[in-house]
Amino acid sequence: QKEVEQDPGPLSVPEGAIVSLNCTYSNSAFQYFMWYRQYSRKGPELLMYTYSSGNKEDGRFTAQVDKSSKYISLFIRDSQPSDSATYLCASYSGGGADGLTFGKGTHLIIQP
Amino acid sequence: DTAVSQTPKYLVTQMGNDKSIKCEQNLGHDTMYWYKQDSKKFLKIMFSYNNKELIINETVPNRFSPKSPDKAHLNLHINSLELGDSAVYFCASSPLGGGTGEQYFGPGTRLTVT
Repeated sequence: QKEVEQDPGPLSVPEGAIVSLNCTYSNSAFQYFMWYRQYSRKGPELLMYTYSSGNKEDGRFTAQVDKSSKYISLFIRDSQPSDSATYLCASYSGGGADGLTFGKGTHLIIQP
Repeated sequence: DTAVSQTPKYLVTQMGNDKSIKCEQNLGHDTMYWYKQDSKKFLKIMFSYNNKELIINETVPNRFSPKSPDKAHLNLHINSLELGDSAVYFCASSPLGGGTGEQYFGPGTRLTVT
């Protein structure tokens, strides 16, 4: 069983729409949750970072974590064509130099 | 002012060869990592180094060996390359012993084994 599940898409929405990206995880030890954005042939870029349950907002982006249901979400408001990329969710248990456990990524396409 | 850099960006080589990929970070972080991203874009941890000490080593063949000459560098040596080693390899770094989970990635090295 994969520890972090994510629908690979592609997800195609019109410009200006609200985008909802989601992941589920199975490891109860995960405490930290991240969203990375990866453009084609580039490295992953840290977009949002949250600890435990709750919401975090940064501009047009909102990250949400519900530990009771093991559900991670990223919302993008007023989506732009430049938001077209692969979005990777990642989880981490904390307390050491462990690697992140990534989902497979969702390919998002914002249509102009 | 590149934060995490890798060289080379592209590497094409034949089966059986030995190659190295270099990584440098100027963020002052004390933990560095190597990840492998396969053709399906799945990112998986290979190694991490904390203060020049190997912390974890996932189920990676011993043909792969990380080497850290100092806190700012983590190189990846690969011996006897195989077709299945073709992938994109990413270096990453993290502050505070990696305890917060924030990791910053380099641009990747695209390795093609023919």
